[in-house]
Amino acid sequence: RKEVEQDPGPFNVPEGATVAFNCTYSNSASQSFFWYRQDCRKEPKLLMSVYSSGNEDGRFTAQLNRASQYISLLIRDSKLSDSATYLCVVTRAGSARQLTFGSGTQLTVLP
Amino acid sequence: SAVISQKPSRDICQRGTSLTIQCQVDSQVTMMFWYRQQPGQSLTLIATANQGSEATYESGFVIDKFPISRPNLTFSTLTVSNMSPEDSSIYLCSVLDGALGTEAFFGQGTRLTVV
Repeated sequence: RKEVEQDPGPFNVPEGATVAFNCTYSNSASQSFFWYRQDCRKEPKLLMSVYSSGNEDGRFTAQLNRASQYISLLIRDSKLSDSATYLCVVTRAGSARQLTFGSGTQLTVLP
Repeated sequence: SAVISQKPSRDICQRGTSLTIQCQVDSQVTMMFWYRQQPGQSLTLIATANQGSEATYESGFVIDKFPISRPNLTFSTLTVSNMSPEDSSIYLCSVLDGALGTEAFFGQGTRLTVV
């Protein structure tokens, strides 16, 4: 089983749609959780951290369920510029500094 | 936030040769991380480079194939040795920074093609 598993995608949605990505992680001792965004042929960049209480940043909402070892990302009112690959990232158990990346979910927002 | 300059941005190399990738960070950092991203896949950690000590390699990666230097707190190199077409990939260096020191910043990546 992979340490971090994501929806395979790709997701093709119209502008204005709401889209949700899911991610599960295998190690219950993992401490920190993130969503990164990677544009085509670019390096990944942090989109948002994910907290147990859930957090929101504009159109983006991230949720963490530790009991189910499940992380989600919700994007509301999708924009063309949201087209990218979204990477679920988890810190390795026992290490706050080493990251494990999911395989990514590709999103294309269509006009 | 950390700014990382990575070079070369791309290269095409003959099999059996070696390529050294350089990363320069604009601030001092304890750890630097080297990743590989194969086509259509996510990032895989190759090794963690600490200044003043040998790099720590992940399972499946060895020092003879991927020697790393970390001469100071702002610079690191990764060498891909005795290359084969299977080494064709994007290689990225990374550091942790940000307000909580948990945000990963990446170099622009080196796109390597081995022919």
